[in-house]
Amino acid sequence: DQQVKQNSPSLSVQEGRISILNCDYTNSMFDYFLWYKKYPAEGPTFLISISSIKDKNEDGRFTVFLNKSAKHLSLHIVPSQPGDSAVYFCAARGYGGSQGNLIFGKGTKLSVKP
Amino acid sequence: SAVISQKPSRDICQRGTSLTIQCQVDSQVTMMFWYRQQPGQSLTLIATANQGSEATYESGFVIDKFPISRPNLTFSTLTVSNMSPEDSSIYLCSPRTGNTGELFFGEGSRLTVL
Repeated sequence: DQQVKQNSPSLSVQEGRISILNCDYTNSMFDYFLWYKKYPAEGPTFLISISSIKDKNEDGRFTVFLNKSAKHLSLHIVPSQPGDSAVYFCAARGYGGSQGNLIFGKGTKLSVKP
Repeated sequence: SAVISQKPSRDICQRGTSLTIQCQVDSQVTMMFWYRQQPGQSLTLIATANQGSEATYESGFVIDKFPISRPNLTFSTLTVSNMSPEDSSIYLCSPRTGNTGELFFGEGSRLTVL
């Protein structure tokens, strides 16, 4: 049973517009949520994270929103650029972090068109 | 963030053979994670490797198939034994670092089993 779900396998956005990537989770015991970006032939690159005690975290063009009641988080990219085209993974860490491992979604492929 | 180097970066292997993947980190870490990403799938944790003790394997993964060594705090190996085409994946190691959740990855090792 998938604990972290990304229901959209792909998303296409025009350059300059907003990209919104969504993620749902089932386990209330996650304490951190993270977004990673992955280009082909490269490993995942950490983008931004949010603690479960917050509802928003912003870093430049990237903002992550967390809605705990809905068990939903989203990544907003504004404005979108062609270089943002990649696969984006949502991930979550179990509460307490004694192990520290992350549970990943299947990813959403973002295409930003010039 | 830690600098992570893996070898080989990619390989094509024959069914029934075994391959050892090396992971070198530029700082000392007590815990190392080994993940696998099968085509079109999420990153899945294989095992957690601690220096000086046996690795802890996740459900569905066993030591006979994926033996792990952790001879010191900056190095680990994962062997994929008796490979089948289903083992074709990207294998990634990641050191456990801080308490804010993020894990860092290198470029990974892309294995194709024929």
